[in-house]
Amino acid sequence: AQTVTQSQPEMSVQEAETVTLSCTYDTSESDYYLFWYKQPPSRQMILVIRQEAYKQQNATENRFSVNFQKAAKSFSLKISDSQLGDAAMYFCAYRKPSNDYKLSFGAGTTVTVRA
Amino acid sequence: GAGVSQSPSNKVTEKGKDVELRCDPISGHTALYWYRQSLGQGLEFLIYFQGNSAPDKSGLPSDRFSAERTGGSVSTLTIQRTQQEDSAVYLCASSLNAGGTSEAFFGQGTRLTVV
Repeated sequence: AQTVTQSQPEMSVQEAETVTLSCTYDTSESDYYLFWYKQPPSRQMILVIRQEAYKQQNATENRFSVNFQKAAKSFSLKISDSQLGDAAMYFCAYRKPSNDYKLSFGAGTTVTVRA
Repeated sequence: GAGVSQSPSNKVTEKGKDVELRCDPISGHTALYWYRQSLGQGLEFLIYFQGNSAPDKSGLPSDRFSAERTGGSVSTLTIQRTQQEDSAVYLCASSLNAGGTSEAFFGQGTRLTVV
């Protein structure tokens, strides 16, 4: 079974500053997919960014970028120029390749943005 | 519809009663998932439907839980003889197909409280 660990229950960041959320995972697979989801108070999970393990280049989506370290099994999320709307719970998730469909989630990190 | 729709948004029920939670996926999405999110926890996989294939029920925590998907569209998650430990947010997601980087779109969930 895959284990996804988010070691930071809460993080606080000043508006316009940068915050980095950590995620580590355990797998014996060589190919897999990693995701970061955002869950605002509305409860709806929103996909922020995704990374395919076979790609060495780190994924970026506007102000969101990842640092994918495959050997270390680490997948951190960096939020640059933080905005008040970034306040939410962030979940790291793992999925095996091909036809596997189950997402394994970490426990989440609550991000607070200070004005 | 424009997104995954879940009803009811909130449900309070007495211990021992049965409840039904409904999920209406995005039109055309063949894959449908149910997850459970307990307070302060990540998401726990419950069940998966793909087209007309037999569902993967491996995540259902007990035989009090069941789900069906009628006509490849709407899904209902039923919890019989509810217990207090069933209190959680139940999230439904759908995707165009399964696996890979296919994005799972989530509904806003049903918050179930068993008193």
